[in-house]
Amino acid sequence: GESVGLHLPTLSVQEGDNSIINCAYSNSASDYFIWYKQESGKGPQFIIDIRSNMDKRQGQRVTVLLNKTVKHLSLQIAATQPGDSAVYFCAERTYGNKLVFGAGTILRVKS
Amino acid sequence: GAVVSQHPSRVICKSGTSVKIECRSLDFQATTMFWYRQFPKKSLMLMATSNEGSKATYEQGVEKDKFLINHASLTLSTLTVTSAHPEDSSFYICSAVHSSGNTIYFGEGSWLTVV
Repeated sequence: GESVGLHLPTLSVQEGDNSIINCAYSNSASDYFIWYKQESGKGPQFIIDIRSNMDKRQGQRVTVLLNKTVKHLSLQIAATQPGDSAVYFCAERTYGNKLVFGAGTILRVKS
Repeated sequence: GAVVSQHPSRVICKSGTSVKIECRSLDFQATTMFWYRQFPKKSLMLMATSNEGSKATYEQGVEKDKFLINHASLTLSTLTVTSAHPEDSSFYICSAVHSSGNTIYFGEGSWLTVV
């Protein structure tokens, strides 16, 4: 059955607004970070990545910011669209290419 | 682009039986694959690392005799849930590391329901 515990936090934004999703990671030695989007019943979909020697990386409508001092990642989505509604996970790569996933955030886009 | 395929996408089995889930890298070789488990509205939890030609490495708390992993070729890893119980019902996801070592690709996941 389903585990008992906290539900994923939810971010609700109006269509067209910018979204900012935050994530804290745990291992200061992690050298590579990835943001994934997961739609209901599907596997994670790669959005954008960043290496630890960078603090910002931009893609199409998305920007990832990395603050190694406080071990914090953020994903910014510009002009959020209904199709962006999903669960978003950050992941940090540890040794042996293992990915450790964050708790996740539900993004709901209101039309 | 690179694709990782999981089969079956959905499976229902009876308590006490075993069920096998396959993870295939369709157009690349993967010496390393990973198996994750995900409960509804929860994050992905790494279960084990599957290495081609050697024994899998299990994360703490994951029963290796319960979740058998075999990585017999550079394109296929299998997860067998043995003596399944209803609490094994979950979404199982695999990922494969491209042999270049730089990119990780995820499968679409497999829903297991044990009745």
